[in-house]
Amino acid sequence: GQNIDQPTEMTATEGAIVQINCTYQTSGFNGLFWYQQHAGEAPTFLSYNVLDGLEEKGRFSSFLSRSKGYSYLLLKELQMKDSASYLCAVQIGTASKLTFGTGTRLQVTL
Amino acid sequence: GAVVSQHPSRVICKSGTSVKIECRSLDFQATTMFWYRQFPKKSLMLMATSNEGSKATYEQGVEKDKFLINHASLTLSTLTVTSAHPEDSSFYICSARDPVPDTQYFGPGTRLTVL
Repeated sequence: GQNIDQPTEMTATEGAIVQINCTYQTSGFNGLFWYQQHAGEAPTFLSYNVLDGLEEKGRFSSFLSRSKGYSYLLLKELQMKDSASYLCAVQIGTASKLTFGTGTRLQVTL
Repeated sequence: GAVVSQHPSRVICKSGTSVKIECRSLDFQATTMFWYRQFPKKSLMLMATSNEGSKATYEQGVEKDKFLINHASLTLSTLTVTSAHPEDSSFYICSARDPVPDTQYFGPGTRLTVL
């Protein structure tokens, strides 16, 4: 079966850097997505990794190691508005289906 | 990113009635759309894959006769919750697949409450 693990909760200070890890054990891996979701809202797309390495997009970066089944999302210069859930999702097979991890609730404090 | 709309955003209905939720891709054509369900403080659970012009593919444990999916055009998929019961109350979210690059864009979600 598919297994995707993320920490349940994290807390970080405004202005700091936080790394949210995601490990996965899946078959038919095609890529990995990170989404941000505020309470009561739909997820918004943050990043997509299909090859090993780091993808940087502004304050957010995402890393993938396919051989290790590991990814992380790095958030720099944290802002209060970054308080949200961060969902790791693995794209499996040719049907482009996404399997989501449990999500990490990030709380940014002053 | 691409824009996906959902309607209605909120619906309250009586037990036993049916509710239709629409999902539209506004600025691209989506041959594939997905329907998810999310319980409070839980992650998204894929219910079914909606394919334009063909039958939907349901995930294991999802009743296809209860959750009817129709993908009549390249920009519209509908989910009908038939004979709704209180346990069907949930946040339903659709996504539309943009093949280039292969990305899913999510609608704003529909909060269904069955009394």
